[in-house]
Order: sequence, then C-alpha cells, then structure tokens
Amino acid sequence: ILNVEQSPQSLHVQEGDSTNFTCSFPSSNFYALHWYRWETAKSPEALFVMTLNGDEKKKGRISATLNTKEGYSYLYIKGSQPEDSATYLCAFYFHSGAGSYQLTFGKGTKLSVIP
Amino acid sequence: KAGVTQTPRYLIKTRGQQVTLSCSPISGHRSVSWYQQTPGQGLQFLFEYFSETQRNKGNFPGRFSGRQFSNSRSEMNVSTLELGDSALYLCASSLDSPDTGFTDTQYFGPGTRLTVL
Repeated sequence: ILNVEQSPQSLHVQEGDSTNFTCSFPSSNFYALHWYRWETAKSPEALFVMTLNGDEKKKGRISATLNTKEGYSYLYIKGSQPEDSATYLCAFYFHSGAGSYQLTFGKGTKLSVIP
Repeated sequence: KAGVTQTPRYLIKTRGQQVTLSCSPISGHRSVSWYQQTPGQGLQFLFEYFSETQRNKGNFPGRFSGRQFSNSRSEMNVSTLELGDSALYLCASSLDSPDTGFTDTQYFGPGTRLTVL
C-alpha cells in the first residue's frame, strides 16, 4: 500500500482569503491523480483529473497543479466562499503490475470558510 | 441525465449474514467502481468493473465480490459480514475506454450505509 499524504488536515479561513492544500504521493508508477470535493451529507464531487507532469487545471476559483517527478499536487482556492467548506480529497492512481491499476486516497483536507 | 443511483440507501445486518448492494451508473458509462468509507481507514478502493469484467481490484478479502451486468449496472456482495464491514459504500461511474481506466471523471452515487450488528 502506497501512502498519500494531504496537508494540512484541516484549515479555517476567512471569507475572501485564498488558500492552498498539498497532496504528496510516491513519484514512481504514477498513472493519474484525481481531486474531489466532499461536502457533508453529499457524494464526492470530482474537481480535476490530472495525468501529465506539469498539468494545470482550473475550474472557476479553484485550480490545481501537478508535479509527478517530485510527487506532489497543489490545490488552490482563490477568494474562499462559505460554500467552499468541504473536505478536499486527492486520489493517487498507480500501475500495480500486469496492466492493472490501484488507487489510494489521502485522508483529506477539511476546509472551513468563516463568513 | 440521471445520476448514479444506489440501492438500498440504508441497511442493517447481523454478523455472519451476507449482503448485496446495487449501483446503476449514468447512462452510457461503462466503468463502475466501488469504494468503502470508514472513519478509521477513510475512503478505500474495492474494485472496478468495465464491460462486465473486473478490471482492477483493491486490497480487500475475498468476502467482497462484485459483478457487472450487460447494461453496466453493478452489484457488490459481502459474505459472512463482520462488525468491521460497517461502512458507507459508494459506487462511481465513468466513461473510460477499454484500454485505460481512471482517466475520466468519476461520478459518485449517494452511497449505501451498511450497519453490521
């Protein structure tokens, strides 16, 4: 089992602040990285699917970057809003041999945006 | 387009019993993945099915099994339930292709909350 670390574990920010989180993963056997937002009592919602080193993705005020050589991805939220309050999960997909893949989720970063 | 649906939403079983959970993917999606969410272990990958074949598998014991039907609907079965199997079981569907998996956006269902007494 490969470890995926997310930091920080939790974060409280004021409305309007910009923030960022980190997802660290093993740099070998990389296949893909997914970011999800998971609000309480809802299903995880996909934010980004990232597959190439140097990928940068953007969706509204949220963006993400990927560095597969050093094994990390950053998620940025610009001008946080209360509706951004959620747990942000990354999932690391890797080759596990013989044409198959495995995936490991991080524990998530819980973001609370204070109005 | 209807989203991913899972039935039942809640289930209570006793140790030693077996359970079957169902997942209907978004129309046109051929990949269905199953996940287990527990407070202690977080979200863990169980397996992925594509075109009625198990394509990828996580590190769960053989008591956890699944299958996919020709209409892409999938079922997950847990035999000989243990207390530790109490969890939220999520399924997700995606388009994906025969040659690759997990490179398309995954859409999650609402989950089935299983309680084992």
